[in-house]
Amino acid sequence: NAGVTQTPKFQVLKTGQSMTLQCAQDMNHEYMSWYRQDPGMGLRLIHYSVGAGITDQGEVPNGYNVSRSTTEDFPLRLLSAAPSQTSVYFCASSRGLDTGELFFGEGSRLTVL
Amino acid sequence: KQEVTQIPAALSVPEGENLVLNCSFTDSAIYNLQWFRQDPGKGLTSLLLIQSSQREQTSGRLNASLDKSSGRSTLYIAASQPGDSATYLCAVLTDSWGKLQFGAGTQVVVTP
Repeated sequence: NAGVTQTPKFQVLKTGQSMTLQCAQDMNHEYMSWYRQDPGMGLRLIHYSVGAGITDQGEVPNGYNVSRSTTEDFPLRLLSAAPSQTSVYFCASSRGLDTGELFFGEGSRLTVL
Repeated sequence: KQEVTQIPAALSVPEGENLVLNCSFTDSAIYNLQWFRQDPGKGLTSLLLIQSSQREQTSGRLNASLDKSSGRSTLYIAASQPGDSATYLCAVLTDSWGKLQFGAGTQVVVTP
């Protein structure tokens, strides 16, 4: 039972570098999303997708890009990393939030120096 | 904008006591509410999902109630165990397209 798989689990970047956080799910879920979790701020939605080829912005999209070319994969790209993007990132998926629960990955801890 | 609040931020109880966790939200126009558990260094695990038309949902020792009119949900955990120690978060769905609004969570410690 793989569920939602995120890679890498840990990453250290220098300011200005770019990278991609990978997310894959094997449950054939249409809905996928990315959150960041910061102390005292809770979870905040970055981007989400309701199916292949369809993405939309969440609460804190600036500095991040996403694409959804397949149902299974939803990568998150940091274009030019900044120290403010130091956080724990979670990918989550659901068959549909109006009726189904949300399944989370284990998280990716990113530090930007 | 929907605001979700969980008070208290932290809670410590002795083993065997019942846990009562609170979640309040400002906009009663919600589709559903979910309760999650998060262990340190891990992702979130969904515990219960309550649709807006439901008043409560139960799973084993867990029971969650929903009162939309007052903007409140309560998660009850009966006969707490040390393994229940974790952070519990609630989240409301106010947009059918997929924008969940999370509370900051209540950190629970159950002492043996």
